[in-house]
Amino acid sequence: TQLLEQSPQFLSIQEGENLTVYCNSSSVFSSLQWYRQEPGEGPVLLVTVVTGGEVKKLKRLTFQFGDARKDSSLHITAAQPGDTGLYLCAGPTYNAGNNRKLIWGLGTSLAVNP
Amino acid sequence: DTAVSQTPKYLVTQMGNDKSIKCEQNLGHDTMYWYKQDSKKFLKIMFSYNNKELIINETVPNRFSPKSPDKAHLNLHINSLELGDSAVYFCASSQDPYSSYNEQFFGPGTRLTVL
Repeated sequence: TQLLEQSPQFLSIQEGENLTVYCNSSSVFSSLQWYRQEPGEGPVLLVTVVTGGEVKKLKRLTFQFGDARKDSSLHITAAQPGDTGLYLCAGPTYNAGNNRKLIWGLGTSLAVNP
Repeated sequence: DTAVSQTPKYLVTQMGNDKSIKCEQNLGHDTMYWYKQDSKKFLKIMFSYNNKELIINETVPNRFSPKSPDKAHLNLHINSLELGDSAVYFCASSQDPYSSYNEQFFGPGTRLTVL
């Protein structure tokens, strides 16, 4: 069974600090996605990484896909209160009927204090 | 103009009752999903429909019955509600689930509380 483990589970930091959160698996994924979920809302896609070793930047957020495509990290530079939310990683897998679905990590709950 | 909408936003009901949640997407997507997010924030797929056809059914109790009257709508009916059904239920849609870059668009969720 493919699993995605995220760490840390909770993170509370001050505005302006840097942080890194991780998404790890013992399985190889063809791609991984990062979503952010704010309270009372559904997850929203931030990025998709596809190639091993790939680095993608979205303003102050830097995403990396591991060389072996088993893990990914999200680094936030100079965190702001607006970055507060639940960060979820997700990867594709197939069910018995060969239909593609996403499996999800438990998420990292980030609180950035002013 | 909301892309994926769900009603109701909140649902509080007694054990044993039957309830429905409705979902609509105006993105023109072919695939729609129902997810359950538990109190630990774990997001688990329940069902997926592609062009009104059920393609994923993840060992969900028979008390849960999805229905897709057309590509833009996916409803979820739950019979004989149990305490363990309390969770946030999300509807989502996507265009091409087989693409690596496939993005799922989520509704705002329905918080179901069973008393």
